[in-house]
This record gives sequence, C-alpha cells and structure tokens, in this order.
Amino acid sequence: GEDVEQSLFLSVREGDSSVINCTYTDSSSTYLYWYKQEPGAGLQLLTYIFSNMDMKQDQRLTVLLNKKDKHLSLRIADTQTGDSAIYFCAENWGSSNTGKLIFGQGTTLQVKP
Amino acid sequence: ETGVTQSPTHLIKTRGQQVTLRCSSQSGHNTVSWYQQALGQGPQFIFQYYREEENGRGNFPPRFSGLQFPNYSSELNVNALELDDSALYLCASSSRDGTEAFFGQGTRLTVV
Repeated sequence: GEDVEQSLFLSVREGDSSVINCTYTDSSSTYLYWYKQEPGAGLQLLTYIFSNMDMKQDQRLTVLLNKKDKHLSLRIADTQTGDSAIYFCAENWGSSNTGKLIFGQGTTLQVKP
Repeated sequence: ETGVTQSPTHLIKTRGQQVTLRCSSQSGHNTVSWYQQALGQGPQFIFQYYREEENGRGNFPPRFSGLQFPNYSSELNVNALELDDSALYLCASSSRDGTEAFFGQGTRLTVV
C-alpha cells in the first residue's frame, strides 16, 4: 500500500542549509508535495514537483526527486528562525492527480539562533 | 491566507455525541477533501467531494460522513464520537485537476 516516511527531527543553526528527506512507495504518483505546518495552524503548501522532473527551485527552496529510489528531498537555503515548523512530504493517491494526498509523519525542523 | 475557512476552530464533545464541521472552499475550487490529523501524526485522508458527490474515501468507518453543497462548501459529520476521534480536522480545496490543494486552519475536536 501507499506509505510515506520521513525522519522525525532536524536541528540546524540559523544561516545553514537544511535538508529534509522523504521516501514514498507509490511509483504511479504524478506529483509530490512539501507542506509546512506551524504550531496550531493548518498546512501551507510550499512547493511541489511533477514526477517527470528531477529538480525544482523556488527562491530558497530546492526540491530533488529520485524517482528510481522513490526519494524526495527539500533543501532550505539560509535557514531562518521563522523556518522552524513541521514539514510534511506528501504524494498524490493513485495515478491520476485529484488532490487526494498521502502524508508522511512530518519532520520537525528546529532552527537555533 | 488560502481562502479556505473552517468552523468552528475548537470544539469539545462528549463520547457518543455527534458533531458537524464546516468548510468553505477557495473561490473557483470545486473539490473539497477532509483529513484527520492526530497529535504528532501526519494528516490522514478521510474522503473527497466533487460536484456534491463523494469521490474517494480513506480507511474511515461509515460514521464519518460528508456533504458538499452547490456553492462547493462542505460538511464533515461524525456520529457516535469516540475518544480516538480527538484530532485536528483539516479541509482542503483544490481545482478539479488537483495539482494544488490548499488547506484551512483546521477544527480542533476534543472528545471527552
């Protein structure tokens, strides 16, 4: 069945780069997503990548996709204290993209001043 | 600000009661999905509504039901509440191609 796995915790110093990793199982997923959740809040869509791409860059965010290994990563350059949050990786459910998402457990990013 | 609004923001119910949660989708979006997020977990897909019909369901029992209205707003109903139903309930709206799903702030349900 579908499963998305992430490491649970990452701690970095302000100004460093952060890399959050994710593995997924459904090879038919057409899109893969990164969401951010701050305490007590809903999910904010950060970025997404189409499955036929290897990389996508959006300002400080870089997404890398290794489809062969079913591995997705999110790199945040020049990490700031405001980036402290929980980051969720998600894949769309099934081969057609209809907005049904399977989420990982989330990676808590702690940014130290 | 996603344009997806949920009400209420917080709710306390007693085991065995019924609850209705509401969601207004982002303008132009005709698809609404509901998720349950237990403490410390990622969101779990409950079901999706498209044009007032259920369009896919996750691993949730029938006491979780929903509705979508002609204006694309939606309700999630949970009957016979159990303590394990305590969670953050998130609504997401998307266009039909589903490329981008935008979430509301959620309703925090506590069952005592």
